[in-house]
Amino acid sequence: SFELTQPPSLSVSPGQTASITCSGDRLGDKFVSWYQQKPGQSPLLVIHQTTKRPSGIPERFSGSNSGNTATLTISGTQAMDEADFYCQAWDNGAYVFGTGTKVTVL
Amino acid sequence: EVQLVESGGGLVQPGRSLRLSCAASGFTFDHYGMHWVRQVPGKGLEWVSGISWDSGTIGYADSVKGRFTISRDNAKNSLDLQMNSLRVEDTAFYFCAKQYNHGWYYFDSWGQGTLVTVSS
Repeated sequence: SFELTQPPSLSVSPGQTASITCSGDRLGDKFVSWYQQKPGQSPLLVIHQTTKRPSGIPERFSGSNSGNTATLTISGTQAMDEADFYCQAWDNGAYVFGTGTKVTVL
Repeated sequence: EVQLVESGGGLVQPGRSLRLSCAASGFTFDHYGMHWVRQVPGKGLEWVSGISWDSGTIGYADSVKGRFTISRDNAKNSLDLQMNSLRVEDTAFYFCAKQYNHGWYYFDSWGQGTLVTVSS
């Protein structure tokens, strides 16, 4: 079955760039979405159709996808960006989430 | 503003049944696919089931196939999940989620979730 793998954790200093990877077989052939989830909250869509930001999502969030790896980039990371992030793609009728990455800003 | 409000969670014994509901407002409900996504506390997200705007297309994760049934009532703007033969591993927060649009397979709005605990 199709699987998406993310690094469990990532630490970044305020103002620096965080790059969160998501790996899956031929993932570059698919559209990828990214969700941010803060403690006690439901997930929030931050990137859809691989590169698009929903209304209200800051420009510092961007996405890319090539080969077997999709990447969510947070430029100029802020303390408020500390959260869990999940990638997601659709494969053969099933919605697949990545394993999740905990981003710590310190 | 899109609002999705889940209800029906609680404590249930293994092997028993539970029915979750999601009340939707703020958008034209019968234009969009709807889904259930679950999350074991402290763990990752897992898609459970989805239903198209007209109930013509329904899908389930392998982990719940044959035990869970998704349905919707467009007249009432509601989405349901009937969960039978519950197992300890079904314990999770269950989120109702709205599909972005037909032909686009992701979720642009989520409810706050309802907790289902399966335990003897």
